[in-house]
Amino acid sequence: EVQLVQSGAEVKKPGESLTISCKASGYTLTSRWIAWVRQMPGRGLEWMGIIYPTDSDTIYSPSFRGQVTFSVDKSINTAFLHWSSLKASDTAIYYCARPDIYDYWGQGTLVTVSS
Amino acid sequence: QSVLTQPPSVSGTPGQTVIISCSGGSPNIGSNVVNWFQQLPGRAPKLLIFDNIQRPSGVPDRFSGSKSGTSASLAISGLQSEDESDYYCGSWDDSLKNYVFGSGTTVTV
Repeated sequence: EVQLVQSGAEVKKPGESLTISCKASGYTLTSRWIAWVRQMPGRGLEWMGIIYPTDSDTIYSPSFRGQVTFSVDKSINTAFLHWSSLKASDTAIYYCARPDIYDYWGQGTLVTVSS
Repeated sequence: QSVLTQPPSVSGTPGQTVIISCSGGSPNIGSNVVNWFQQLPGRAPKLLIFDNIQRPSGVPDRFSGSKSGTSASLAISGLQSEDESDYYCGSWDDSLKNYVFGSGTTVTV
């Protein structure tokens, strides 16, 4: 059974760094792209971009380019989303999902950034 | 402002059919397939329709998708209380080189 299991909720202060994870099981991570999607409180879904685990090829949405970094560790079938300096406006739920049809989604990671 | 436009809300009574529209343009819906997602309160999105009209296994046939030109629609027939949810369309955009989601529609039963 395919599953994407994300790391737990985080509470951080502005300016801090953060990495959240998305572990794939039931299939080989390197066989498919992985997408990241943001959902701010009470808002809709926003596509952040995708990473191809085989060679770490990435496509960032212009809205998120330079703001976040995608990476993978093929040895543990896990994708990561990283911020080097969080802002309050990064408060949201972040989902990983499997393109092209987005048939599998992680359960979401709530990131709260507050001083 | 979403590239794909959906009505903010749609309502119906049990047993009725409701239709959610998703309006886009040539670079997205006009050139690529549309997926539909259901997001129940407090839950992750779930794929409802892929490739414009296909249903993943386990999705009731009360849900159906269609596409014409630069617009797509999701129909929910035999509306049930458990269908109360947010619904999003999505498609690749060749100009933006981004996947784009619709603005989302809340269905109230």
